[in-house]
Amino acid sequence: DTGVSQDPRHKITKRGQNVTFRCDPISEHNRLYWYRQTLGQGPEFLTYFQNEAQLEKSRLLSDRFSAERPKGSFSTLEIQRTEQGDSAMYLCASSLRGPSEAFFGQGTRLTVV
Amino acid sequence: SQQGEEDPQALSIQEGENATMNCSYKTSINNLQWYRQNSGRGLVHLILIRSNEREKHSGRLRVTLDTSKKSSSLLITASRAADTASYFCAQYSGGGADGLTFGKGTHLIIQP
Repeated sequence: DTGVSQDPRHKITKRGQNVTFRCDPISEHNRLYWYRQTLGQGPEFLTYFQNEAQLEKSRLLSDRFSAERPKGSFSTLEIQRTEQGDSAMYLCASSLRGPSEAFFGQGTRLTVV
Repeated sequence: SQQGEEDPQALSIQEGENATMNCSYKTSINNLQWYRQNSGRGLVHLILIRSNEREKHSGRLRVTLDTSKKSSSLLITASRAADTASYFCAQYSGGGADGLTFGKGTHLIIQP
């Protein structure tokens, strides 16, 4: 499968725990985006990487959220001290030219109990 | 924040009928896109229309864009049960280091 891959697909965690999600973009794509989608809503843009540089992170929801793309390939999104309100689908997308031509992964569904 | 709104929020029609969904947005755009999302899955890109285009077709899909009204519509003709999904419009305003702005979506149910 040469699409965008996200792992895990589902994560259940207890409130207060840290979680990390991984995204593997399409191999030649240098741009990578993270979005969050809560129930009944559309995706909400969180952050953007071009190669290993994080060019937009002001939309990250709080300082508990951080993302990395250390070698310009896969990316991780970490949420520290999870709260019930963090329960959502976290989507990753990658592209060559910009957000309009991005391909989305299947998402990681996080449930905080 | 989400600046787009889809209308209606939910739509149920019989197989074979046409489905029309509308999207309104608030700021100027570079382009607008429509995505489909099956329950609990990722987004599938359907069609992109640029700000200087008024209408675009792809198979059974027809998209219109009215920048003066800041609105777009998606028409699915001859609907099929497999078209049951949520449909989202998403705007890109340009600027380089930014993502798409999505609406809340229309949940479409095709009754067999």
